[in-house]
Amino acid sequence: AQTVTQSQPEMSVQEAETVTLSCTYDTSESDYYLFWYKQPPSRQMILVIRQEAYKQQNATENRFSVNFQKAAKSFSLKISDSQLGDAAMYFCAYRKETSGSRLTFGEGTQLTVNP
Amino acid sequence: DGGITQSPKYLFRKEGQNVTLSCEQNLNHDAMYWYRQDPGQGLRLIYYSQIVNDFQKGDIAEGYSVSREKKESFPLTVTSAQKNPTAFYLCASSIRGKGDTQYFGPGTRLTVL
Repeated sequence: AQTVTQSQPEMSVQEAETVTLSCTYDTSESDYYLFWYKQPPSRQMILVIRQEAYKQQNATENRFSVNFQKAAKSFSLKISDSQLGDAAMYFCAYRKETSGSRLTFGEGTQLTVNP
Repeated sequence: DGGITQSPKYLFRKEGQNVTLSCEQNLNHDAMYWYRQDPGQGLRLIYYSQIVNDFQKGDIAEGYSVSREKKESFPLTVTSAQKNPTAFYLCASSIRGKGDTQYFGPGTRLTVL
């Protein structure tokens, strides 16, 4: 079974600084997808970024980028120029390449942004 | 506007009662999912459905039931057999294909009194 581990229950960053959230996963599959979701206090789950395992290039979305290390099964999220609105719980998630596969989530990292 | 709606936002239930949580989407997505979130934890899959009139159990299906009579709707019933139903429930949907991304509704907070 696939597992996703986020080893940092809490992280904090100063406004305008950069922070990296860690995620590791375990799978025997060669093709799969990885996601970072953000859950602000409203509790709505919002997709931040997505990475296809077959792509060597790391995904980026504006201030958000990932460091995908397939051999190490590592998928970290870097947030640049942190803003107060980035404060949220961040979840790493994995799904197999098969159509309609479920998401497996990590336990989450609570990010605090200090002004 | 296209999206996923869940109702109600807050729901209170007495012990021994069944309650049904609503999830509707107008994104024309084939697949729909129900997740449960407990405080300080990630999401766990309850049930999912890839097409109308078909659904599969997830990791924690005991005490829950679902139906998928319409593409747009995937209601979740929390039965009296669910021993600890107080939690936050999230519904999601996706297209049915490789690389499909799941998009989430705003959630329902269920409290057992």
